[in-house]
Amino acid sequence: AQTVTQSQPEMSVQEAETVTLSCTYDTSESDYYLFWYKQPPSRQMILVIRQEAYKQQNATENRFSVNFQKAAKSFSLKISDSQLGDAAMYFCAYSRSGTYKYIFGTGTRLKVLA
Amino acid sequence: EPEVTQTPSHQVTQMGQEVILRCVPISNHLYFYWYRQILGQKVEFLVSFYNNEISEKSEIFDDQFSVERPDGSNFTLKIRSTKLEDSAMYFCARGEENPNEKLFFGSGTQLSVL
Repeated sequence: AQTVTQSQPEMSVQEAETVTLSCTYDTSESDYYLFWYKQPPSRQMILVIRQEAYKQQNATENRFSVNFQKAAKSFSLKISDSQLGDAAMYFCAYSRSGTYKYIFGTGTRLKVLA
Repeated sequence: EPEVTQTPSHQVTQMGQEVILRCVPISNHLYFYWYRQILGQKVEFLVSFYNNEISEKSEIFDDQFSVERPDGSNFTLKIRSTKLEDSAMYFCARGEENPNEKLFFGSGTQLSVL
């Protein structure tokens, strides 16, 4: 069975600094997708970034980038130039290609210090 | 304006009662999901729904649960005879034709079973 593990329940970062959130996963599939979702206090989860497993190039969205290590089954999220609005719960998620089921990690609460 | 609206935001019910959680997509989309998050635990997939049929469901989604889209607009999750362990945040999401594209989540319904 596929699993997603986020080993950092909580992280803190100083405003304007860089922080990396960790995520590892386990799967025997070769074709899958990985995601980072942000859940602010409003509770509505929003997609931050998406990675296709067959692409070696790491996905990037403005200040957000990932370090995708397929062999190690690792998918970390780097947030550069952290802003107060980045404070939220961050969930790593996995989805096998062609399936509607997403598997989420337990989340990492990110605090941004002014 | 959110893509998906969920009502109510909070629901309190007595054990054994039936509850209906509602999800209202703004656009005329076809792919819908229900996820739930028990306090402090990971977000769990319940069911996916396409073209008025369940396309995939998890082991959690047993006979106690049902989904429908009776009026072509509201997408509902019904929980018959609620149990204490059904207390959780329930998220509705809508997706794209490609199941591995992003999900658009609602802000959730907090269900408390007493």
